Amino acid sequence: GAGVSQSPSNKVTEKGKDVELRCDPISGHTALYWYRQSLGQGLEFLIYFQGNSAPDKSGLPSDRFSAERTGGSVSTLTIQRTQQEDSAVYLCASSLDFPEQYFGPGTRLTVT
Amino acid sequence: GNSVTQMEGPVTLSEEAFLTINCTYTATGYPSLFWYVQYPGEGLQLLLKATKADDKGSNKGFEATYRKETTSFHLEKGSVQVSDSAVYFCALTNQAGTALIFGKGTTLSVSS
Repeated sequence: GAGVSQSPSNKVTEKGKDVELRCDPISGHTALYWYRQSLGQGLEFLIYFQGNSAPDKSGLPSDRFSAERTGGSVSTLTIQRTQQEDSAVYLCASSLDFPEQYFGPGTRLTVT
Repeated sequence: GNSVTQMEGPVTLSEEAFLTINCTYTATGYPSLFWYVQYPGEGLQLLLKATKADDKGSNKGFEATYRKETTSFHLEKGSVQVSDSAVYFCALTNQAGTALIFGKGTTLSVSS
């Protein structure tokens, strides 16, 4: 079946602009995660959605970052007023039976 | 909180050499442990996992044993191939059991 998809695959934006990154999880997966992969830093947990429960936002690095998940499926990660340190690969993963997670290919964000 | 440390790379080996990538963790309770692999140009894939002490995860010739006494989950393969060249990430479940905590990754390069 189809895996996790993310769009766009690459995004270049100017410092100060807002960006939206999209994730389509595997159909039927109730949990959705966003991670950030910075050069030399490994993967950093950002936010977690499980069904209709309130999301776990404990990993969001600042209030410029937000995410929503509509209809229990598609998710959008929004970064406002982007900074150069936001440049990274943003990974989405979905899960039916935690902790096994399935990752998308990622969105490479470059802030100039 | 829970954390994981893995050996820094890059690791460069000849084909058919023995591979060990060290991973140690600190955790409250009994986390599940994982190795993920990221092949060039591809997304993260689960390689193997172990959910309790003394469990051995294995896949594609790779093995790792959950050692509670040494808080380790070292990845091993008896004979590496060029196709094993990738970045390997050790991970464990966070304290809340809601997300994964990843190491910084170890790049493996295998030459023929």
